Amino acid sequence: AQKITQTQPGMFVQEKEAVTLDCTYDTSDQSYGLFWYKQPSSGEMIFLIYQGSYDEQNATEGRYSLNFQKARKSANLVISASQLGDSAMYFCAMSKTSYDKVIFGPGTSLSVIP
Amino acid sequence: DTAVSQTPKYLVTQMGNDKSIKCEQNLGHDTMYWYKQDSKKFLKIMFSYNNKELIINETVPNRFSPKSPDKAHLNLHINSLELGDSAVYFCASSPTDRANYGYTFGSGTRLTVV
Repeated sequence: AQKITQTQPGMFVQEKEAVTLDCTYDTSDQSYGLFWYKQPSSGEMIFLIYQGSYDEQNATEGRYSLNFQKARKSANLVISASQLGDSAMYFCAMSKTSYDKVIFGPGTSLSVIP
Repeated sequence: DTAVSQTPKYLVTQMGNDKSIKCEQNLGHDTMYWYKQDSKKFLKIMFSYNNKELIINETVPNRFSPKSPDKAHLNLHINSLELGDSAVYFCASSPTDRANYGYTFGSGTRLTVV
């Protein structure tokens, strides 16, 4: 069975600093996808970034990058130059195939301090 | 122009009542989902439909029944509501070949059972 672990329930970061949110996963599948989502206090879920298990390069989307270490089964999210608007809950997620369900980790609450 | 719209946004009802939540997407996606987010922010999939066909049905009480009249709509009907059904329910959609697309979520329906 697949499982996502996010060991940091809460994180603080100074504005303009970089921050890494940890995510480890457990799966016996060879092909899978990894995702990160952001949930601000307003409640909506926002897709941030995707990494395929066969992608050799780490995914990047603007200030977001995914540090993918396949052998360690980790998919950490790096946010560069943190902004106050980055304060939110961040969820790591994974799925086996396009049709398969996406399972979510428990989330990390990030607070950006001015 | 809202991509995935859910109604209602808030729903307060008494135990034992029957209620429905509606979801519509205008993205042309083939697959739609219902997720439940509990009070600890944990997200769990409930159902998934692909082109009106049920493809994922997690261990959910029979009181929950999804209905997809067409691929743009996925409704959730809940019978005999219980206190434990209180949660935020998210509808989401994705294209068939999800790959690096991620889900597009609705804004959520906060259900409170009193």
